[in-house]
Amino acid sequence: QSVLTQPPSASETPGQRVSISCSGSSSNIGSNTVSWYHHIPGRAPKLLMYNTYQRPSGVPDRFSGSKSGTSASLAISGLQSEDEGDYYCAAWGGSLNGYVFGTGTKVTVL
Amino acid sequence: QVQLQESGPGLVRPSETLSLTCTVSGDYLGTYYWSWVRQSPGKGLEWIGYAHYSGTTNHNPSLKSRVTVSQDTSNNQFSLRLTSVTAADTAVYYCARASQTTIFRPAGQTTTYFLDHWGQGTLVTVSS
Repeated sequence: QSVLTQPPSASETPGQRVSISCSGSSSNIGSNTVSWYHHIPGRAPKLLMYNTYQRPSGVPDRFSGSKSGTSASLAISGLQSEDEGDYYCAAWGGSLNGYVFGTGTKVTVL
Repeated sequence: QVQLQESGPGLVRPSETLSLTCTVSGDYLGTYYWSWVRQSPGKGLEWIGYAHYSGTTNHNPSLKSRVTVSQDTSNNQFSLRLTSVTAADTAVYYCARASQTTIFRPAGQTTTYFLDHWGQGTLVTVSS
């Protein structure tokens, strides 16, 4: 089972800001960097954030990542309909766990 | 432009071996960590493991010794082999390219691992 905990859902109206939390432990988020993925069922997941704060080329600056201790967050500002889908955080969990994903958060644009 | 494409049987019988291949175009199997991830119906993403051109491999401990990830550099492909499958292994399987770096400090080490290019995924059903 996932060792990173996310809220199951989040929703907001277009143009607003939504934040997704990701809670882990000292062996994963507390020690290593965090990445975030956007997944629309039936399509390939897309990397949104890596090294906790960095956006890959092509990802708009509406997306921002942060981390404090053993928790991380992804914020989406100026929410758009295309932002709907599932969001997963992930981090290296050490030799005992490998790469661990969060439980996933379904974002709905109202 | 890096592209990955999974291929393999869509149906595997219980107790048999699941075998998938990922063909990479626009890149070669050096430097990166070529990985597999799956998503079971109604569940989240689960990391399976990776193979690096150096020969280094790693896999999800929860899969114990059932999983093997290997590379075929001559064909620019990498593969997943999962033995003794059960219905719990029914999932969409994705191949992906990963980067990994580890920084060592006196206070400990920090690992950055992320998957930046993914295949479209292939559904594998385990059923008799």
